[in-house]
Amino acid sequence: AQTVTQSQPEMSVQEAETVTLSCTYDTSESDYYLFWYKQPPSRQMILVIRQEAYKQQNATENRFSVNFQKAAKSFSLKISDSQLGDAAMYFCAYRSANNAGNMLTFGGGTRLMVKP
Amino acid sequence: DVKVTQSSRYLVKRTGEKVFLECVQDMDHENMFWYRQDPGLGLRLIYFSYDVKMKEKGDIPEGYSVSREKKERFSLILESASTNQTSMYLCASRGPGSKQYFGPGTRLTVT
Repeated sequence: AQTVTQSQPEMSVQEAETVTLSCTYDTSESDYYLFWYKQPPSRQMILVIRQEAYKQQNATENRFSVNFQKAAKSFSLKISDSQLGDAAMYFCAYRSANNAGNMLTFGGGTRLMVKP
Repeated sequence: DVKVTQSSRYLVKRTGEKVFLECVQDMDHENMFWYRQDPGLGLRLIYFSYDVKMKEKGDIPEGYSVSREKKERFSLILESASTNQTSMYLCASRGPGSKQYFGPGTRLTVT
């Protein structure tokens, strides 16, 4: 079974600075997807960024980028130029690319605080 | 825009009551999911459904059941609510792509 681990329960960053959230996962599969979701205090989860395991290039979405290290099974999220609206719970998630793998497996989450 | 709605944002029920949590999506998605979210544990999958009347157990199905009579609606049922089912419940749906859309959540308190 796959597991996803976020070792940082809480992180803090100064506004306009850069912060990196860590995520590691364990799988025996070679083809899968990795995601970072954001859950603001209003509670609706939204997708931040997605990475396909077969792509070597790290995904980027505006101020959000990932450092995907397949061999190390590491998938960290970097937030550049942090804004107050980035404050939220962030969840790393894994999904198999196998047709039978229909489920997301989530990490425990990291609470990001942004200081003005 | 995809919309996933849940019937209640907050719910308080008594131990032993039967509880229905409703989820509706408006994008004709085949796949729908129910998660519970607890501090430090992230989201854990309770049940999912990949078609009408089809359901699969997730990681923590004990104490729950689900119903998918129509494609747009996926219900989570607590047959006899217990205090350890106090939690935030999140519904999600997903179409042919890999992007999953979440509802706003229902915070259930069982007293």
